[in-house]
Amino acid sequence: DAGITQSPRHKVTETGTPVTLRCHQTENHRYMYWYRQDPGHGLRLIHYSYGVKDTDKGEVSDGYSVSRSKTEDFLLTLESATSSQTSVYFCAISDPGTRTPTGELFFGEGSRLTVL
Amino acid sequence: QQPVQSPQAVILREGEDAVINCSSSKALYSVHWYRQKHGEAPVFLMILLKGGEQKGHEKISASFNEKKQQSSLYLTASQLSYSGTYFCGTLGGSQGNLIFGKGTKLSVKP
Repeated sequence: DAGITQSPRHKVTETGTPVTLRCHQTENHRYMYWYRQDPGHGLRLIHYSYGVKDTDKGEVSDGYSVSRSKTEDFLLTLESATSSQTSVYFCAISDPGTRTPTGELFFGEGSRLTVL
Repeated sequence: QQPVQSPQAVILREGEDAVINCSSSKALYSVHWYRQKHGEAPVFLMILLKGGEQKGHEKISASFNEKKQQSSLYLTASQLSYSGTYFCGTLGGSQGNLIFGKGTKLSVKP
C-alpha cells in the first residue's frame, strides 16, 4: 500500500470555524490532490499540487485553499467552514506516467467532515 | 469538463456481463479507470492511452476510441467482488490533474 495518511479522519465543526485537513505521504510522489466526494457528484477535484509550492485550482476550489511547503505534506484549509462543505475528502498522490502526465493515483482513506 | 458516464447504475446477476461507458466533449489523451467499494477509497484499475489499445485487469478490460472521445469498460462473467462504483477520469490539463466522472454503481447479485 502507498504510504499516504490523512488526518483527522473524522471531524465535526460549526459553521464559520476554520478547518485544516492534512495529507502526508512517504512515497516522494510529485503530484498531490484533494478531492471531495458527495452523493450524485462523484469525485470532484478541489486543488492539486505538481511540486513544492506549486499548486493550482480544480473544479470546485471556491472556499478552499491549499499549501505544500514540503514534498510530503499537502494541507487543505477551509477558512470559514459552511454546511455545503460537509463531505468526504480524499487526498491522492501520483507520479508522472510513462506516456501520460499522471500515472496511477493512490488514495488516502478519506476524511469525513461534518459542518453543523 | 467532467467526463460523462453511462449508465448511472446497473444491477447484474453473477456471471453476467456489463459495459460502462465514458465520454468527453474534449479531445482525450488518456482515460483512467478506478473502482470504489462501499466505504473504501477508490482503487486504480487501468490507464488507456491514445492509440486504441485495450488493457485488462482480471476479467475486466477496456477500450479507448480517441476519435469518438470515449472509452468503454467491459466486465465479463461478473463476480460478487466486482460490486462497487466505477469512475473514469480524464486529464484536465498538462499538469496531471485528473477529472472524474460521476461514477457508475455496479451491483452484482448472487
